[in-house]
Amino acid sequence: NAGVMQNPRHLVRRRGQEARLRCSPMKGHSHVYWYRQLPEEGLKFMVYLQKENIIDESGMPKERFSAEFPKEGPSILRIQQVVRGDSAAYFCASSLPGALSYEQYFGPGTRLTVT
Amino acid sequence: AQKVTQAQTEISVVEKEDVTLDCVYETRDTTYYLFWYKQPPSGELVFLIRRNSFDEQNEISGRYSWNFQKSTSSFNFTITASQVVDSAVYFCALISNTGNQFYFGTGTSLTVIP
Repeated sequence: NAGVMQNPRHLVRRRGQEARLRCSPMKGHSHVYWYRQLPEEGLKFMVYLQKENIIDESGMPKERFSAEFPKEGPSILRIQQVVRGDSAAYFCASSLPGALSYEQYFGPGTRLTVT
Repeated sequence: AQKVTQAQTEISVVEKEDVTLDCVYETRDTTYYLFWYKQPPSGELVFLIRRNSFDEQNEISGRYSWNFQKSTSSFNFTITASQVVDSAVYFCALISNTGNQFYFGTGTSLTVIP
């Protein structure tokens, strides 16, 4: 009964590099949500995906950020040309199809540091 | 619009003192869920409690208790006889019945001094 898995747990990138964060949902879960926690702040919603579909990306920055959840494999949050302001903890959550809204289970997070 | 406010940024107490963490929320939805999470220094989110909007009964779990009052849109969390292991950041969060996303407060950092 593995929970939501995220890797890497810690990621260091230099300004201008790309960051790829992975989220493996719980078994049977086909919905994934990404949240960002900036230093000293609460988590903020970024994007909600189902397999091969982006359902709601209202919280995604317009540039440099993208997310996918392919038919096979983990969900990927990609940040291109990272800047210092991207340093944050990125959490993903997953849920079953048809689950109630609150039935999102959070992973342990990936801490991104941009130097 | 949904919003969660945790006005207390940092709190320090001496071990064995009681402490209450405040949470005030805003929503126009009639059905919603309120949560408290603990975030220890290791960084993961630890689920503490969920309350739905139709259940205003207070809840007690060991040293933890929660006071939900719809009249004041508050969902406060009290730790009785605090311990050093309670030191963490605590987040209050809200999600509506029809929404996709959690709305988190900015968190209260609790330090329990031995």
